[in-house]
Amino acid sequence: EAGVAQSPRYKIIEKRQSVAFWCNPISGHATLYWYQQILGQGPKLLIQFQNNGVVDDSQLPKDRFSAERLKGVDSTLKIQPAKLEDSAVYLCASSSTSGSEQFFGPGTRLTVL
Amino acid sequence: QQQVKQSPQSLIVQKGGISIINCAYENTAFDYFPWYQQFPGKGPALLIAIRPDVSEKKEGRFTISFNKSAKQFSLHIMDSQPGDSATYFCAARNSGGYNKLIFGAGTRLAVHP
Repeated sequence: EAGVAQSPRYKIIEKRQSVAFWCNPISGHATLYWYQQILGQGPKLLIQFQNNGVVDDSQLPKDRFSAERLKGVDSTLKIQPAKLEDSAVYLCASSSTSGSEQFFGPGTRLTVL
Repeated sequence: QQQVKQSPQSLIVQKGGISIINCAYENTAFDYFPWYQQFPGKGPALLIAIRPDVSEKKEGRFTISFNKSAKQFSLHIMDSQPGDSATYFCAARNSGGYNKLIFGAGTRLAVHP
């Protein structure tokens, strides 16, 4: 069974630029999560999708972050414009509707200069 | 009340020793407590998990001890090996949410040969 795929693995941008991350969850997993992991901290949930609907985006900075999950499969997380404090690893995870375990991808390491 | 407090921040153990990581929570609505293991450059992976109706769960060298009255739980790694060197995160899930996890800040474990 293929795991959660993410791209790119690394991204370096200047502040005020925009950036997008892509995630392909495990096949058949209805729930998809985007986390932000700042160096030295635990992952923090940004947004959670159930199929293609948002069930939790309470910690998403909506003035600059956006996410979509078209057709309930792949998802894209966008930051526009980026700030220095957005430097972090962005993790995507997925889980089945009935399962508790979240399966994580390798993450995208974003550096904002 | 949604926080999970994890300690210590870092831990050094000799090969063959016991590694102990502790977590505490306040929200009595949490209903699932997983531990995740993360190696550098990788996403977190589920190690072991427990529900509050059980006081202990053991899988191989890994044991979770759960104290519901004290609102604390801990991970014990017996016979620690250099390959166990990683960052460990405890987490908790609110029973009223959509499988949303709140993560602790992480413990960086180094097992010396």
